[in-house]
Amino acid sequence: EADIYQTPRYLVIGTGKKITLECSQTMGHDKMYWYQQDPGMELHLIHYSYGVNSTEKGDLSSESTVSRIRTEHFPLTLESARPSHTSQYLCASSELRDAGNEKLFFGSGTQLSVL
Amino acid sequence: LAKTTQPISMDSYEGQEVNITCSHNNIATNDYITWYQQFPSQGPRFIIQGYKTKVTNEVASLFIPADRKSSTLSLPRVSLSDTAVYYCLVGDIGATSGTYKYIFGTGTRLKVLA
Repeated sequence: EADIYQTPRYLVIGTGKKITLECSQTMGHDKMYWYQQDPGMELHLIHYSYGVNSTEKGDLSSESTVSRIRTEHFPLTLESARPSHTSQYLCASSELRDAGNEKLFFGSGTQLSVL
Repeated sequence: LAKTTQPISMDSYEGQEVNITCSHNNIATNDYITWYQQFPSQGPRFIIQGYKTKVTNEVASLFIPADRKSSTLSLPRVSLSDTAVYYCLVGDIGATSGTYKYIFGTGTRLKVLA
């Protein structure tokens, strides 16, 4: 089983608050990802990182930011939460076998509700 | 945009074999094809991965034709607990980093009926 952890599991917060969603993995994977998923919809890639101090924006524009100071840690921050940020946020890391050959491991997700 | 196309939904009955086909016409030479399963309120879980021909594990088989422009996930004798969304995934190279990233498509919502 994958050792990738997301906290909190659920978060209800008021508009304008700053929040940080935590994601940690103990597998030593260099690559990590953040996806956003609304109920019944597909996953949208919002950020990814291919190593320490290297981050890229995904295909879905997001007001969130990420950092990668340590290999095992990939937090996502919203400076000022809004109701439109209400969604499930899924973190993943990948085991790189070869170029084009990766296996993604997902955390359980954070369900964010902004009131 | 996702590099894969799948049927939006499928229904099946318990005990039947289910085949879900995915199109990936622009698959790159290095790309592997990976399938994931997702239950509501959970992250996707790896099912099977392959590069060409046929791969089988304890839960599924994956068939990939010689041109690799499509693949078929086969679930033998499905049960109610196999009701989930199934995603087919191939890599996409990031424009600035040159590294692979993974864009999910719509997936196939499989409903298994009693």
